[in-house]
Amino acid sequence: GDSVTQTEGLVTLTKGLPVMLNCTYQTTYSPFLFWYVQHLNEAPKLLLKSSTDNKRTEHQGFYATLHKSSSSFHLQKSSVQLSDSALYFCALRELSGSFNKLTFGAGTRLAVCP
Amino acid sequence: NSKVIQTPRYLVKGQGQKAKMRCIPEKGHPVVFWYQQNKNNEFKFLINFQNQEVLQQIDMTEKRFSAECPSNSPCSLEIQSSEAGDSALYLCASSRDWGSQNTLYFGAGTRLSVL
Repeated sequence: GDSVTQTEGLVTLTKGLPVMLNCTYQTTYSPFLFWYVQHLNEAPKLLLKSSTDNKRTEHQGFYATLHKSSSSFHLQKSSVQLSDSALYFCALRELSGSFNKLTFGAGTRLAVCP
Repeated sequence: NSKVIQTPRYLVKGQGQKAKMRCIPEKGHPVVFWYQQNKNNEFKFLINFQNQEVLQQIDMTEKRFSAECPSNSPCSLEIQSSEAGDSALYLCASSRDWGSQNTLYFGAGTRLSVL
């Protein structure tokens, strides 16, 4: 079945530094990848999504590129802010097949320090 | 702010009690999902609907969990006999369509504590 792997459980950074959160996936079908961000006691919100190979997608200073050759969709930002402290989830949906649920990774907690 | 409304925000039950939570999907979204997010922040899919019809559900859901999305009423998820292991954040999400490109929009969740 589908799976999503996020290797870092916790990433701690000082404000202003760059960050990369890793996401790799496994699927039989063509993938659609998402990044969701969940702040404390809030709903998970969509940050980015993509199904296009080798095309960078950006939103709110975050960016990611889907690489089908390496099954990866890493999330990056060039300069983190205190308000970026949150849980980040990578998620996968198949582009075909009858079961269109969203499969989530385990999440990465980003903690940004002053 | 999320346009998917979940109530109550917090729910405390004893073991063996029923626990019921509700979800109003975003207007115009016929597709609804329920997920369980445990204390380790892991997501587990429970059930999904298109309009009033259940499309898929996991085995756990079939045994003690029931859910419905009646016409012109909030969707609901009910646990018939709560267990300690059911303590979690229950997230409802809605979507415009079934297609995989369609984003799931989440509510803030109902946090269930089973004592």
